[in-house]
Amino acid sequence: DVKVTQSSRYLVKRTGEKVFLECVQDMDHENMFWYRQDPGLGLRLIYFSYDVKMKEKGDIPEGYSVSREKKERFSLILESASTNQTSMYLCASRGTGSYEQYFGPGTRLTVT
Amino acid sequence: RKEVEQDPGPFNVPEGATVAFNCTYSNSASQSFFWYRQDCRKEPKLLMSVYSSGNEDGRFTAQLNRASQYISLLIRDSKLSDSATYLCVVKGTYKYIFGTGTRLKVLA
Repeated sequence: DVKVTQSSRYLVKRTGEKVFLECVQDMDHENMFWYRQDPGLGLRLIYFSYDVKMKEKGDIPEGYSVSREKKERFSLILESASTNQTSMYLCASRGTGSYEQYFGPGTRLTVT
Repeated sequence: RKEVEQDPGPFNVPEGATVAFNCTYSNSASQSFFWYRQDCRKEPKLLMSVYSSGNEDGRFTAQLNRASQYISLLIRDSKLSDSATYLCVVKGTYKYIFGTGTRLKVLA
């Protein structure tokens, strides 16, 4: 069965902290994505990666960076968390040649 | 104008009713179209892809109108378990653009 896992379901951090969100998929997918979901704004793409060590900016990359050292793992980094980064963060993966994205359960991050 | 627009709802319908949602998109070069379902506090999951010729999966029918740039989802014989938010998704060259979702509540 397809599985995408995220390191935490809920996270509370203070302004200015460095935050790591991890995503792992067990489907050997080449493509991985990080989104944030906010009420009224839907899912917005932060970064994506189509191969190990490759990354591309999405629509809202400011304040974020990513790392993909291994095919199964895609990390999202908030270098200095701010209150406007309070959101639901969703990771997804997709195999090349397939259109379906598989999502992880999400991490609800609160920055105080 | 948003790239993908949906009526947020909620659509409150009785069990057994037929309900339809529309979604409009702005980029005529969009390549692929999908409906995802998202339950409360859960991740989105693919419900169905949308093909030019229209496609059906049980009680669900999806249609694409490229000329008018909209896609639709029809749900027949609504069940309580259909209560969820339905996300319209449009794929361009490399990225997926999600609508904000239409909330459906099926009432007993």
